Amino acid sequence: AQSVAQPEDQVNVAEGNPLTVKCTYSVSGNPYLFWYVQYPNRGLQFLLKYITGDNLVKGSYGFEAEFNKSQTSFHLKKPSALVSDSALYFCAVRDWDMRFGAGTRLTVKP
Amino acid sequence: NAGVTQTPKFQVLKTGQSMTLQCAQDMNHEYMSWYRQDPGMGLRLIHYSVGAGITDQGEVPNGYNVSRSTTEDFPLRLLSAAPSQTSVYFCASSPRLVTDTQYFGPGTRLTVL
Repeated sequence: AQSVAQPEDQVNVAEGNPLTVKCTYSVSGNPYLFWYVQYPNRGLQFLLKYITGDNLVKGSYGFEAEFNKSQTSFHLKKPSALVSDSALYFCAVRDWDMRFGAGTRLTVKP
Repeated sequence: NAGVTQTPKFQVLKTGQSMTLQCAQDMNHEYMSWYRQDPGMGLRLIHYSVGAGITDQGEVPNGYNVSRSTTEDFPLRLLSAAPSQTSVYFCASSPRLVTDTQYFGPGTRLTVL
């Protein structure tokens, strides 16, 4: 069965510093990988996805993710964090069902 | 274009009661799904549908029923509510392919006493 893991419950960074939110995956076929963000009391918002092609995927709000097949990873990155990036981030892998990681809470401090 | 809508936003039930959570989308999406979100566990798939008249079980289907009579609507029924079903429920939809992005509704917060 396919799955993803987010090894960090919490990530803290200072505003202006680069941020990374980690995700590793396990699939039997082609990995279709997604990142979503959830702000308090809201639904999930799509950030970006990897289907095929370029290993560096660019998404919304300045986020990007790097697909690494040899390390089975799909880490979310941003060069310069904003306080408004503070939220809950989910990695997911999709077949006809979609499996989510447990989430990583990102806190960006001024 | 309202996207994915869910009603109600909040609901409190007593153990043993039944209710239906409503989900509708106006994007003509073939695929719809229901998730529950619990602290520290991410989102877990309850049921999904790849088109009208077709439904299948997800990761945690017990205690829930679904049907898909139209493309637009995908209601989730709790047959006999239990405290373990206290959670936040999200509905999502996507066009058709497994590579398509899923779009989520705002959620329903359910408490079972």
